[in-house]
Amino acid sequence: GNSVTQMEGPVTLSEEAFLTINCTYTATGYPSLFWYVQYPGEGLQLLLKATKADDKGSNKGFEATYRKETTSFHLEKGSVQVSDSAVYFCALIRNTDKLIFGTGTRLQVFP
Amino acid sequence: SQTIHQWPATLVQPVGSPLSLECTVEGTSNPNLYWYRQAAGRGLQLLFYSVGIGQISSEVPQNLSASRPQDRQFILSSKKLLLSDSGFYLCAFRGDNNEKLFFGSGTQLSVL
Repeated sequence: GNSVTQMEGPVTLSEEAFLTINCTYTATGYPSLFWYVQYPGEGLQLLLKATKADDKGSNKGFEATYRKETTSFHLEKGSVQVSDSAVYFCALIRNTDKLIFGTGTRLQVFP
Repeated sequence: SQTIHQWPATLVQPVGSPLSLECTVEGTSNPNLYWYRQAAGRGLQLLFYSVGIGQISSEVPQNLSASRPQDRQFILSSKKLLLSDSGFYLCAFRGDNNEKLFFGSGTQLSVL
């Protein structure tokens, strides 16, 4: 079946450090891939998405590239800020109405 | 604009008590509606989804049920809560053939 695996957290970084949160997926065919973010005390928000192989989603300095050969959609940011502290969820959707989420990765950024 | 409201934000209930969480959507018609649960140390798990009034699909067997009495209203219920029902519950909708989900602010449920 379809599934998403992402690295366990928490990820702890200093401000301006480089961020990578790994995400790999298992799915038949060509799913659409997403990163959602949950800031403290808030609901989930869509951060970025990619709908086909080699697409790069980007938003707020975050990027992720849809890699079909490695079935990955790793989230990256060149210089994190304290305000980026949140829980990040990788997700996919494949020919259904249902988003399949990973377990979430907590990011903590310290000044 | 499309908005989603979910309440209450936090809830503490004793084991064996009933549960009712409500979610309403505005600014869209005939949305697909979803209930997710985020348990401690685990990811988001889809509990129920609905494509129309009175149409409910359950993803996992459990102690909970869902109902959709109106087009833009989705209710999560239980007759008798268990300790294992504790978690963070999120309502979401998808409308207008858009893959993107819009989430409510969530309900933190603690069953003691």
